[in-house]
Amino acid sequence: GAVVSQHPSWVICKSGTSVKIECRSLDFQATTMFWYRQFPKQSLMLMATSNEGSKATYEQGVEKDKFLINHASLTLSTLTVTSAHPEDSSFYICSAREGTGVYGYTFGSGTRLTVV
Amino acid sequence: QKEVEQNSGPLSVPEGAIASLNCTYSDRGSQSFFWYRQYSGKSPELIMSIYSNGDKEDGRFTAQLNKASQYVSLLIRDSQPSDSATYLCAVNVNYGQNFVFGPGTRLSVLP
Repeated sequence: GAVVSQHPSWVICKSGTSVKIECRSLDFQATTMFWYRQFPKQSLMLMATSNEGSKATYEQGVEKDKFLINHASLTLSTLTVTSAHPEDSSFYICSAREGTGVYGYTFGSGTRLTVV
Repeated sequence: QKEVEQNSGPLSVPEGAIASLNCTYSDRGSQSFFWYRQYSGKSPELIMSIYSNGDKEDGRFTAQLNKASQYVSLLIRDSQPSDSATYLCAVNVNYGQNFVFGPGTRLSVLP
């Protein structure tokens, strides 16, 4: 089955620094990947849709200049949290789907970000 | 109205019982419905998908879909403590353009 690898699994950074999270589809090509954020005891919230070779589509309320998304190839999307603050501490999860149908998405293992 | 709704729980059932998880959605154009299981601190994993009205069984899991009522459910037979997790209902909306998760139902299976 489809496998999505996400790295790192956890990261601690100082306030004001930037953090990059990678999401790779290992055995399939993903023209579209999705980035979610999940705060404790809350559901997944879609942040943005990452499109290979074009600009990402951000959900309302998500700052595109703070959460930079790059989808330079069919197997890799990156999310950079710039000038991180403690309120950005969360669980970030990427997902991708194989093909273009409305089938289930495969999730990466998630990245626990803690900003101190 | 929220696009996908679930009871947040917690839903507690004894080991061996049937757990019933419910989900309603607002977009009548939705065609694909999914149930994900998420353990604490982990990312969601797909356990069931259903596209047609009726029941779909896979092992101890049965998904039920009623498009007329805009309702999808997940039954877990012979519940085990290892089934204790949050179950997320996901629906494609806008004729497949978007994929929306419900808030999740926390299930606790008591030994």
